[in-house]
Order: sequence, then C-alpha cells, then structure tokens
Amino acid sequence: ETGVTQTPRHLVMGMTNKKSLKCEQHLGHNAMYWYKQSAKKPLELMFVYSLEERVENNSVPSRFSPECPNSSHLFLHLHTLQPEDSALYLCASSQVPGSSNEKLFFGSGTQLSVL
Amino acid sequence: GENVEQHPSTLSVQEGDSAVIKCTYSDSASNYFPWYKQELGKGPQLIIDIRSNVGEKKDQRIAVTLNKTAKHFSLHITETQPEDSAVYFCAASNVNDMRFGAGTRLTVKP
Repeated sequence: ETGVTQTPRHLVMGMTNKKSLKCEQHLGHNAMYWYKQSAKKPLELMFVYSLEERVENNSVPSRFSPECPNSSHLFLHLHTLQPEDSALYLCASSQVPGSSNEKLFFGSGTQLSVL
Repeated sequence: GENVEQHPSTLSVQEGDSAVIKCTYSDSASNYFPWYKQELGKGPQLIIDIRSNVGEKKDQRIAVTLNKTAKHFSLHITETQPEDSAVYFCAASNVNDMRFGAGTRLTVKP
C-alpha cells in the first residue's frame, strides 16, 4: 500500500448526476494532487493543493470542483460530466509543498464511467 | 512547457532478457527524472529516480541513465521476470512542472 486511499474504486454516473471522489493520505505529506489518466495518454495534472491552498488549476472545466479541507483529505466534486470525462482519476501526495521536483505517491484511482 | 516522448509504447521480452525504455524531454531546465510502474488495477508507483547532477543510478535489477546534453534518459531492467509486466511511465520535472510520458506496456513472457 502507498498510504494514499481513494474511494470509490469504480463509479458509473449519468451526465446529470452529482458525485464526489475522495482521497485520504496517511503519510503526513503537505501537497496533494488530482490527475486524470486516459488510455495511451500521459497523465494529466488537474489540480494541486499545497498546504491546503490550491496552487495550480490546469485549465480544468468547471464541472470538476476540488476541495481540500485539510492536508490529509482531498475531494473532487463532479457535476454535469460528459462521456469524454470517463477515465481513471488518480490522487497523489508529496512531502514538500510548492515544488514539482518531488516523489509522488499515488492512490489506486477511481475508474469513472460517464453514460 | 515540457514535452516528454516515450518509446516504445509496447515491449515484449522473454523472461531473463533485458528491457530498455527510452524517453526524451524538451525543457533544459528539467532536473528531476522519475520512473513509475503501474500494475493492473493500481496507481503508479515510483521505482527509481535520478536528478540531473547524476548520470546513472542503479537499484538491483533496474537502472536509469541520463544524458543531459541529448536530453534523453532510459530505464534498464535486467534479468526480467513475469512480475515486471506492467506499464512504465517516465517523467521530467523542473521545480514548477512535472510532465509524464505516455507509458510503455512491458510484457515478460515466461
């Protein structure tokens, strides 16, 4: 286990639904990330939180809304998604905030299917 | 921004043979190069990393080499075993940005 837990593991939702993905890290890290993984494409960084403040939003559509209530928990709220949003959503954490030059610890991901 | 190219996209080797995966990057400011292994149903896990002040790093059967002048780095796995079968991702990072390659699916045939 990497120390990063994501729930649910699988999620099927309609385009009009609202759902949330949850991530919890037990490593005492100070930065948390959301990545999108689509088949045969590089990992796409969506959001970065450093010391519970959002420091990066890579032009992600507003139908994805992150929340970081504390340094151990990260949520991704989903609403009015499109079929092309179907992907594996990965949460990660790292020790040092404010830097991309650090080892990332990933959860197992949530496999999202939008119908 | 950084652009990372990874080759090959698929690689099949016989157990016991070596496997080599290559990546190139575009940003000369990149100074950290991790490699991640992703097994089926799991998230990527860091297996080895190298920083730009080092040309080679080895950890048991895996090694990474870095050529800063040519802006490419490679992962070498020797004496491959079936449990090495997975998708491998390279990445290149400066302080502000980490970019990943598209991945290599390695299959080790027993």
